[in-house]
Amino acid sequence: AQSVAQPEDQVNVAEGNPLTVKCTYSVSGNPYLFWYVQYPNRGLQFLLKYITGDNLVKGSYGFEAEFNKSQTSFHLKKPSALVSDSALYFCAVSPLSGSARQLTFGSGTQLTVLP
Amino acid sequence: GAVVSQHPSRVICKSGTSVKIECRSLDFQATTMFWYRQFPKQSLMLMATSNEGSKATYEQGVEKDKFLINHASLTLSTLTVTSAHPEDSSFYICSASWTSGPQDTQYFGPGTRLTVL
Repeated sequence: AQSVAQPEDQVNVAEGNPLTVKCTYSVSGNPYLFWYVQYPNRGLQFLLKYITGDNLVKGSYGFEAEFNKSQTSFHLKKPSALVSDSALYFCAVSPLSGSARQLTFGSGTQLTVLP
Repeated sequence: GAVVSQHPSRVICKSGTSVKIECRSLDFQATTMFWYRQFPKQSLMLMATSNEGSKATYEQGVEKDKFLINHASLTLSTLTVTSAHPEDSSFYICSASWTSGPQDTQYFGPGTRLTVL
């Protein structure tokens, strides 16, 4: 069974500073990894995904994530945070092999960017 | 592209009534649709996976007779909460993907807030 851990419930950063939202995963074999963002009372918006290839994945709104196989991590990053980035961020994983296609989500990290 | 809509966005109903929630993929054909449930300040919990034209696959612990899922076309799936009770109050979110592969991105609807009085 796969699992995802987001160790920080809350991350606060000042506007203009770099931000990191952490994610580690556990899955049999190679993973597919995703980041989604959720604004209040809204569904999830896709940010980026890692399937294969370059470990640094670039996504929407200036976000990027780095896949680190040895540390089983997929941290979300942005060089310069905006107040509008404040939202709930979810990391998710699905396994590469087998017929399973469901996403397993982490518990979410609330990002607050302070002006 | 890849827009998914849900209707209604919020619904309030009396205990014992049934509520239908629609999930539509607006600009693509969704072979697979997923239904999730999200409690306040918690993550999404997968309820069921549906493929067009076949019966839905429910996750363990989800009552299939209570949460009826129909995926009649490549652009529409419905979730009916039958005989709703206050404990069914939650945020229900659907997602859709082009195919059923694990690498496929799921695109999410905006969610439906259900309140059962």
